[in-house]
Amino acid sequence: AQSVTQLDSQVPVFEEAPVELRCNYSSSVSVYLFWYVQYPNQGLQLLLKYLSGSTLVKGINGFEAEFNKSQTSFHLRKPSVHISDTAEYFCAVIGGTSYGKLTFGQGTILTVHP
Amino acid sequence: KAGVTQTPRYLIKTRGQQVTLSCSPISGHRSVSWYQQTPGQGLQFLFEYFSETQRNKGNFPGRFSGRQFSNSRSEMNVSTLELGDSALYLCASRSDANTGELFFGEGSRLTVL
Repeated sequence: AQSVTQLDSQVPVFEEAPVELRCNYSSSVSVYLFWYVQYPNQGLQLLLKYLSGSTLVKGINGFEAEFNKSQTSFHLRKPSVHISDTAEYFCAVIGGTSYGKLTFGQGTILTVHP
Repeated sequence: KAGVTQTPRYLIKTRGQQVTLSCSPISGHRSVSWYQQTPGQGLQFLFEYFSETQRNKGNFPGRFSGRQFSNSRSEMNVSTLELGDSALYLCASRSDANTGELFFGEGSRLTVL
């Protein structure tokens, strides 16, 4: 079984500042890792994914994440945030024979202030 | 390419009633999964269907059920509704490839009074 921990429930930041949203996972098998974003009253949109290969993954809207197997982490970063990045962010993992079963973290609400 | 479509988007029911939610996956996707999202429990996996067969199931009572049709469209049903069933129900579809990437619909928001 897999589990995901997002270490911060809320992250406030000023516009144009850098941000890091932290995610740790646990699993006894190899996993695929994802970050999704959810805007109010909407579904989830994929930001980026790690399947294999380079541990630095670039996604949409200027986001990137680094897979660290030894620390079982997959932190999300953006060098300069915009007001429009205000949303809830979810880290998720899928592994083994989980098929369509994504295990999600509890989410981090990112609020960007002007 | 059209995305995942869920209907209805909003609905209100009373305790004891039942509800059916519908999901049309992205064209060509044969896997459909359902998730429940609540403020207290977050995103929880309900079940996944592939080619009309339930392939995986989460830890929900038997009041929650689903099915998939030959055109890959899926429905989920909740019987004997309880107040705690109020939630956003999200459907996601996936291609056959084992990348694990799920594409989500905008959800059906169920309110139980």
